[in-house]
Amino acid sequence: GAGVSQSPSNKVTEKGKDVELRCDPISGHTALYWYRQSLGQGLEFLIYFQGNSAPDKSGLPSDRFSAERTGGSVSTLTIQRTQQEDSAVYLCASSLAVGTGGIYEQYFGPGTRLTVT
Amino acid sequence: AQKVTQAQTEISVVEKEDVTLDCVYETRDTTYYLFWYKQPPSGELVFLIRRNSFDEQNEISGRYSWNFQKSTSSFNFTITASQVVDSAVYFCALKEGGGSNYKLTFGKGTLLTVNP
Repeated sequence: GAGVSQSPSNKVTEKGKDVELRCDPISGHTALYWYRQSLGQGLEFLIYFQGNSAPDKSGLPSDRFSAERTGGSVSTLTIQRTQQEDSAVYLCASSLAVGTGGIYEQYFGPGTRLTVT
Repeated sequence: AQKVTQAQTEISVVEKEDVTLDCVYETRDTTYYLFWYKQPPSGELVFLIRRNSFDEQNEISGRYSWNFQKSTSSFNFTITASQVVDSAVYFCALKEGGGSNYKLTFGKGTLLTVNP
């Protein structure tokens, strides 16, 4: 079956512009995660969705970052007024669920490479 | 707080050599899960293995094996008879237990280069 897909694969934007990154999880996966991978910071957790709700947004680096998920499927990560330090690869992952005693592997998409000039 | 340390930033070996990637973790939970992921040059993280804290049995899958030792808080990964296709960045990750805990904490990764 299809894996996690992300679009665009590459995005170059000017400082100060807004960008939207999209993630399509594996069909049937109710949990969705966003991570950021940058040279200096490694892989950082940003936000997680269970269904359409995001119980914990504390990983988002600033209030310029927001994310939403609609229909329990596609998610969009939006970065407003981009800064050069936002340049990174943004990775999306999905898993079957997260629940008491449950642990499901997270399957990752190919990422969106964001470059802010 | 949870933490994963991969002390080896880069390793370079010649094909057919065995190589071990180290992973040391810190957690206060008694229930936790450990993972290894592979990130080839294409960029997509590929899940390799998951172990839970109650199962210290080592695991072998083909040329891959994992050594989990709670006494030293380590979860090391060995590739036997390495191949060029094994060249990638390998990440060790930790998830603390509890149904509401969903976050994977990753190590910084180890870049493995297998030369022909």
